[in-house]
Amino acid sequence: GDSVTQKQGQVTLSEDDFLFINCTYSTTTYPTLFWYVQYPGQGPQLLLKVTTANNKGISRGFEATYDKGTTSFHLQKASVQESDSAVYFCALVGNYAQGLTFGLGTRVSVFP
Amino acid sequence: GALVYQYPRRTICKSGTSMRMECQAVGFQATSVAWYRQSPQKTFELIALSTVNSAIKYEQNFTQEKFPISHPNLSFSSMTVLNAYLEDRGLYLCGAREAGANQAPLFGEGTRLSVL
Repeated sequence: GDSVTQKQGQVTLSEDDFLFINCTYSTTTYPTLFWYVQYPGQGPQLLLKVTTANNKGISRGFEATYDKGTTSFHLQKASVQESDSAVYFCALVGNYAQGLTFGLGTRVSVFP
Repeated sequence: GALVYQYPRRTICKSGTSMRMECQAVGFQATSVAWYRQSPQKTFELIALSTVNSAIKYEQNFTQEKFPISHPNLSFSSMTVLNAYLEDRGLYLCGAREAGANQAPLFGEGTRLSVL
């Protein structure tokens, strides 16, 4: 079946630091890839999605490239702010007759 | 704009009793609704996916007998946790999606279930 791996459980940064969150996936389909962000007490919110291999998704300063060769979809942001503190989930869907498969999430804490 | 409301936001039930939670889509047509459970040590576990006019598909380890789901129209879905026990605790999330290629599911804020 499909799987998504996020190696980092937690990332701690200072404001203006560079953020990198690792995400790799495994599927036999041609998936659509997502990053969702979850703030405390809320449901996950879509941050960005990419449907086509080798394309890049960009939103709110975050970006992720759908790399079919390395089956990766790493999330980056050049300069984080305290308001970016949240849990970030990488996810995929291979077929919209299925639900999403999520990674375990990466908790990002940004300190001023 | 498009929103998904879930209610109640929090609920507590006694062990062995049942709890119904609801999901309302506003501003779009929820052609498919997926129910997930988020637990502290686990990521989002897919419980089932419901598509209007199709059978509800349950994932392994989740059954209709335990988590009956109703999806009667394009704006509403409900799920009941029957005979809830400690292992059923968690945040239950509804992710609704409109028909169309590559539409991303929109999530509600969840119903947090505690079991005494």
